[in-house]
Amino acid sequence: NAGVTQTPKFQVLKTGQSMTLQCAQDMNHEYMSWYRQDPGMGLRLIHYSVGAGITDQGEVPNGYNVSRSTTEDFPLRLLSAAPSQTSVYFCASSLGLQGDTEAFFGQGTRLTVV
Amino acid sequence: GIQVEQSPPDLILQEGANSTLRCNFSDSVNNLQWFHQNPWGQLINLFYIPSGTKQNGRLSATTVATERYSLLYISSSQTTDSGVYFCAVEARDYKLSFGAGTTVTVRA
Repeated sequence: NAGVTQTPKFQVLKTGQSMTLQCAQDMNHEYMSWYRQDPGMGLRLIHYSVGAGITDQGEVPNGYNVSRSTTEDFPLRLLSAAPSQTSVYFCASSLGLQGDTEAFFGQGTRLTVV
Repeated sequence: GIQVEQSPPDLILQEGANSTLRCNFSDSVNNLQWFHQNPWGQLINLFYIPSGTKQNGRLSATTVATERYSLLYISSSQTTDSGVYFCAVEARDYKLSFGAGTTVTVRA
């Protein structure tokens, strides 16, 4: 039982490049979400999903896309990277509407856009 | 959205000291969690505590949902307790809102 797994752990992109941050969970959780953490701040919600095929925007969705084709995977796509997207990204999952909503986080992806 | 305020923003402790961290929130919530972010950036679940009191070793937490606050107690602090402590509240739409955190430094 690996929990929530994020890849890669570190990434450097050039402005304008695109990439996908991967997130997978093996706990059969319905609810998955992506957050970004900037220095001196708490985590802010980018996008979330309450189940396969269902996604919605969070607090800071601009510049990011998500999809949820399976229960296990919730990738985050940066369409055209900008320096303002330099941040640490966390993926989280929880049982969601099934009951216990305790959230579990991946180890994070540190992204630098130059 | 829900506003979450944590205090104090920074805390310096001598090893062995006790401390209390506070989390205030602006609206009714489904649940509340406390996390510890260690120096390597990993978020570790401490407590899932919508109401009442829980204890785990030297740590304990109390949430008074009707008064919209939660407290995290650290007793007999150790250097491994250093890091950032986050409070996160879950709104009725199941989204988590985080406070800005309390940075704790425990000195040997």
